[in-house]
Amino acid sequence: GEDVEQSLFLSVREGDSSVINCTYTDSSSTYLYWYKQEPGAGLQLLTYIFSNMDMKQDQRLTVLLNKKDKHLSLRIADTQTGDSAIYFCAESLNDMRFGAGTRLTVKP
Amino acid sequence: NAGVTQTPKFQVLKTGQSMTLQCAQDMNHEYMSWYRQDPGMGLRLIHYSVGAGITDQGEVPNGYNVSRSTTEDFPLRLLSAAPSQTSVYFCASRLFGVGDTEAFFGQGTRLTVV
Repeated sequence: GEDVEQSLFLSVREGDSSVINCTYTDSSSTYLYWYKQEPGAGLQLLTYIFSNMDMKQDQRLTVLLNKKDKHLSLRIADTQTGDSAIYFCAESLNDMRFGAGTRLTVKP
Repeated sequence: NAGVTQTPKFQVLKTGQSMTLQCAQDMNHEYMSWYRQDPGMGLRLIHYSVGAGITDQGEVPNGYNVSRSTTEDFPLRLLSAAPSQTSVYFCASRLFGVGDTEAFFGQGTRLTVV
């Protein structure tokens, strides 16, 4: 089974905010990541957060970390059709463990 | 700046055949890893290496071998392909021992075993 869990699908309308949630199990993880995968491509790093932070903002992206509940979220403001992709959260110790990925569909 | 290069991009094998998936990186990264991606299961770690001459098993190592004779190359070998190994395979590399390091991924190899 996976150590990192995500819901598999999310559908939003263009211009709305998207929130993708993730839970992880290893409290030793020092960094938590969000990766984006577009069709037919590898994964690209979107953003990451250090475990002693509770929020990080980067343009339209906001990452929230609740270390007590081991909950990580990615908020995408003003979601665009180009944001349609699969989003993976990952925790990093000696290796990197990924969730199953959330497929975000943005409807015009 | 090539990053992580995987070959081939597509491959069809017959059950029982063997093959090697190639992975090379030109960023002098110590850490390299192989993942397989299956629908609804995300990326599962097959094998990883923290430097030349050092390899270790990940979550799903059975049926796969790896070696790391150089820093640049980390090939993945399927000794006797099975239909259950039909998947998309990704190689990744990053610096090791430095926390906030990005993992760089290859474009993937789509393998079908018939």
